Amino acid sequence: DVVMTQSPLSLPVTLGQPASISCRSSQSLVSGDGNTYLSWFHQRPGQSPRRLIYKVSNRGSGVPDRFSGSGSGTDFTLKISRVEAEDVGVYYCAQGTHWPGTFGQGTRLEIK
Amino acid sequence: EVQMVESGGGLVQPGGSLRLSCAASGFTFSNCWMMWIRQAPGKGLEWVAKIKQDGSEKYYVDSVKGRFTISRDNAKNSLYLQMNSLRVEDTAVYYCRGVTGEFDCWGQGTPVTVSS
Repeated sequence: DVVMTQSPLSLPVTLGQPASISCRSSQSLVSGDGNTYLSWFHQRPGQSPRRLIYKVSNRGSGVPDRFSGSGSGTDFTLKISRVEAEDVGVYYCAQGTHWPGTFGQGTRLEIK
Repeated sequence: EVQMVESGGGLVQPGGSLRLSCAASGFTFSNCWMMWIRQAPGKGLEWVAKIKQDGSEKYYVDSVKGRFTISRDNAKNSLYLQMNSLRVEDTAVYYCRGVTGEFDCWGQGTPVTVSS
């Protein structure tokens, strides 16, 4: 299975400041159809996950533009330009290129 | 309103069976890949199974192969997961999820506890 490794695992951030999470895969996530099926999810305590980003850099419907995704191959990044209070929770990267799809361990974002 | 509602979870003894259901509304269910994803208590997310729009392709994570069966009924906008020979390590909240490109929707989850 493809291993997804996130860093950091804990991310204390001051309100209004930027934040960045790294995600690395154990093999290339470029699919045979040319797409890279790397997504980012946000899970607030007690809630279901919500997809923020799909195919590396596409924001989901209703996702604020302070969230952006980038990367290629095996190296990916989620950036939050200015952290807001509602951004607390756990962030997961996930790959859907190879079955079974796999998630990273999660990065817990908290407000300093 | 886009919605997916899981049901069927509960407490079961090791070796027992459960059937999870997921009722979808507010979107075109038959356009979506559907999947079950689980989260053990205090842990991360794990894909369990997925099924193609017309049900012609099904995929399972190795740990549930031969024990779990995913199915769907597009006429009823419903997804199912038949879970047999349950193990303690299957204890988790089970989420159904529907995906098609830009669209992505998760249910609220149904808890499954396997314990004697």
